[in-house]
Amino acid sequence: DAEITQSPRHKITETGRQVTLACHQTWNHNNMFWYRQDLGHGLRLIHYSYGVHDTNKGEVSDGYSVSRSNTEDLPLTLESAASSQTSVYFCASSASVAGELFFGEGSRLTVL
Amino acid sequence: GIQVEQSPPDLILQEGANSTLRCNFSDSVNNLQWFHQNPWGQLINLFYIPSGTKQNGRLSATTVATERYSLLYISSSQTTDSGVYFCTGSSNTGKLIFGQGTTLQVKP
Repeated sequence: DAEITQSPRHKITETGRQVTLACHQTWNHNNMFWYRQDLGHGLRLIHYSYGVHDTNKGEVSDGYSVSRSNTEDLPLTLESAASSQTSVYFCASSASVAGELFFGEGSRLTVL
Repeated sequence: GIQVEQSPPDLILQEGANSTLRCNFSDSVNNLQWFHQNPWGQLINLFYIPSGTKQNGRLSATTVATERYSLLYISSSQTTDSGVYFCTGSSNTGKLIFGQGTTLQVKP
């Protein structure tokens, strides 16, 4: 079955370190998204991509970057992790713009 | 921007009870979906329902796009139904909008 997977599922890092969260989907979806979820804020969009080499900023993109070199993967990089980036991160994909959305299982990141 | 209001924000049920969750949008949205976030944090697709009515076991959903709302019905609730229920929709620019969720607790 097609799926969307995230890794690592849990990570603890230190302030200032670079961190990359991986997202891989096997649906051949063009559209991929990264969200963070925090208590009191719901799900907020970080970055998104509508296809290979396309990336766009979401509402909370500061301190994050993404790259899309193929259809299957959209890694999320924190260049210099900050404690404010402690959160649960969800990757998602859809076949069409604003089409049915499918989420990965989430990555819990703790920045000490 | 488009606002999404979900009601009620919190709900406690006894096992076996029925419930209705509501999602109101301030403007027209496309591609309305309902998700369940279980206690382990997983976001599970329940319904992709831009309009009309769908049923899946004990759950059903109805979207009235012209009146900008959607309803999620849970019948004969079970403890495994506990968690947070989110509705989402997309604006004409494709941006997804999430509601703040309804937290459901089903007691045995």
